[in-house]
Amino acid sequence: RKEVEQDPGPFNVPEGATVAFNCTYSNSASQSFFWYRQDCRKEPKLLMSVYSSGNEDGRFTAQLNRASQYISLLIRDSKLSDSATYLCVVTSGGYQKVTFGTGTKLQVIP
Amino acid sequence: SAVISQKPSRDICQRGTSLTIQCQVDSQVTMMFWYRQQPGQSLTLIATANQGSEATYESGFVIDKFPISRPNLTFSTLTVSNMSPEDSSIYLCSGRGQGPHYGYTFGSGTRLTVV
Repeated sequence: RKEVEQDPGPFNVPEGATVAFNCTYSNSASQSFFWYRQDCRKEPKLLMSVYSSGNEDGRFTAQLNRASQYISLLIRDSKLSDSATYLCVVTSGGYQKVTFGTGTKLQVIP
Repeated sequence: SAVISQKPSRDICQRGTSLTIQCQVDSQVTMMFWYRQQPGQSLTLIATANQGSEATYESGFVIDKFPISRPNLTFSTLTVSNMSPEDSSIYLCSGRGQGPHYGYTFGSGTRLTVV
């Protein structure tokens, strides 16, 4: 089993739709969790940290479920500009061990 | 968050030669990381570089092939040595600031092609 697993997609959704991605992790001692966005031929950029109580940033909502060892990202009212690959990131070992998921590709269609 | 300048942005190199990639951070970061990313794949961690100590390499990566320097808290280099076409990839550096929810900032990447 991979340490961090994501559905690779692609998720093809119409503009305005709501879409959710999940990411599961295997290390129960994982400490911090993030969602990154990577555009084609660009470096990953931090989208949001994921807090234990869940957090929201505009149209984006992140949730953490430690008992089931997964994190989720919900995007409401999808925009064309949301098209990208979304990577979940899990850290452990005092933040020295950083593991990226394989990414979920989102394509928002007009 | 920190801003990382990475160079070169791309290079085409002959097999058997070496290339050194540099990353300069605009603030001090405790940990820096070097990744490789093949087209359409996720990031693979090569090594973690802490200032003042030897880099820690992941399985499948060795110091002789990928020597790393970390002379201070704002700078690091990765050298890809004795290159072969299999080393063609995007190489990314990343730094992490302080605090549990401080994310990892990336350089813009080096697109390496070995011919």
